[in-house]
Amino acid sequence: KQEVTQIPAALSVPEGENLVLNCSFTDSAIYNLQWFRQDPGKGLTSLLLIQSSQREQTSGRLNASLDKSSGRSTLYIAASQPGDSATYLCAVPYGGATNKLIFGTGTLLAVQP
Amino acid sequence: AAGVIQSPRHLIKEKRETATLKCYPIPRHDTVYWYQQGPGQDPQFLISFYEKMQSDKGSIPDRFSAQQFSDYHSELNMSSLELGDSALYFCASTRGIAYNEQFFGPGTRLTVL
Repeated sequence: KQEVTQIPAALSVPEGENLVLNCSFTDSAIYNLQWFRQDPGKGLTSLLLIQSSQREQTSGRLNASLDKSSGRSTLYIAASQPGDSATYLCAVPYGGATNKLIFGTGTLLAVQP
Repeated sequence: AAGVIQSPRHLIKEKRETATLKCYPIPRHDTVYWYQQGPGQDPQFLISFYEKMQSDKGSIPDRFSAQQFSDYHSELNMSSLELGDSALYFCASTRGIAYNEQFFGPGTRLTVL
């Protein structure tokens, strides 16, 4: 059974810091991994999708890495801004031929001005 | 770019009432997923449809039913509502049944009193 966990559960940093969010999964047989951002009470915004054949994926100040063999992914946020404050979730498709996502527990990020 | 549309955005119901949530996928997307996110929890998969047929089913109560229509929009019907059904309900869409990026709607917040 696939389990996805994220560490830390919460993180508070001053503006301008570079930071790393961690995502771990127990079954390394994944096709891809998706990172999302969720503002309080709002929807899920897809940030990056990294395929199992890729090691890294970049979008602006965000960089996601994937190490299938160790069951880990990291989301690196450069030069953090207060507007980055949100909950960050990772998710992997799992279970049969469909693409249903199993989500991690999330990291609540607060960037202090 | 067009996004996933969900309606209504907010819904308040009494216990034992019925609710219908609607999802309009991104144009040319033929696959729809429904997820439920309880307070402080990560999203949980409910049910999915591909080309108007149910493709997968998660921990969806028997009181809930869903379908995908000829125009690919989907509806989630929830009967005999319970207090525990209060949650954020997300719809996501993608193209095909393969492991493609899922795009999420803004969600419907259901409150059962």
